[in-house]
Amino acid sequence: KAGVTQTPRYLIKTRGQQVTLSCSPISGHRSVSWYQQTPGQGLQFLFEYFSETQRNKGNFPGRFSGRQFSNSRSEMNVSTLELGDSALYLCASSLAAGAQSRSPLHFGNGTRLTVT
Amino acid sequence: AQKVTQAQTEISVVEKEDVTLDCVYETRDTTYYLFWYKQPPSGELVFLIRRNSFDEQNEISGRYSWNFQKSTSSFNFTITASQVVDSAVYFCALSETGANNLFFGTGTRLTVIP
Repeated sequence: KAGVTQTPRYLIKTRGQQVTLSCSPISGHRSVSWYQQTPGQGLQFLFEYFSETQRNKGNFPGRFSGRQFSNSRSEMNVSTLELGDSALYLCASSLAAGAQSRSPLHFGNGTRLTVT
Repeated sequence: AQKVTQAQTEISVVEKEDVTLDCVYETRDTTYYLFWYKQPPSGELVFLIRRNSFDEQNEISGRYSWNFQKSTSSFNFTITASQVVDSAVYFCALSETGANNLFFGTGTRLTVIP
């Protein structure tokens, strides 16, 4: 069974640009969550999608947005990039959302975004 | 407010030694879940264990064991007879009411020296 797939693995963007990251969950998983990992702030929750609806959102500015498609694939968008957005962005999937889930979060390898 | 503390930033052990990684958590919820994840250099977070707040039984899986104590709000992880392949960053995480927004600790970097 294929794991969580994130594309691209590496991305270099310039300040002010926007970027879209993609995540394909494990087959059958309907919940997708996004996390940001930086040396300074560690791992922080961005948002979770289930059945194309945002279920939870972390404490990030509106420049960070996401969506989920009917096939459970998800995209994350960051607009007006800032230097501080440089991070490893991790996507995770699980069978269902929240307490209903019988499977824990399974993470992908991440997309490393560098903003110059 | 929820918080996860991993006081050990880095640990080095010689192969075959036992090592314990500490995790202390704070939460006001009576229902919560605790996790351990391993992050090798490849970057992927590998799930190791999930434990809910009503199950205080310790767990053993091969060389790995976990000690959950609600009285001290701790969920410690022990690797027995460590191996070089255990070298990674280990994260403890907390989820309130089982939601998928996990609060992670800052991680402990474990280096196993051959």
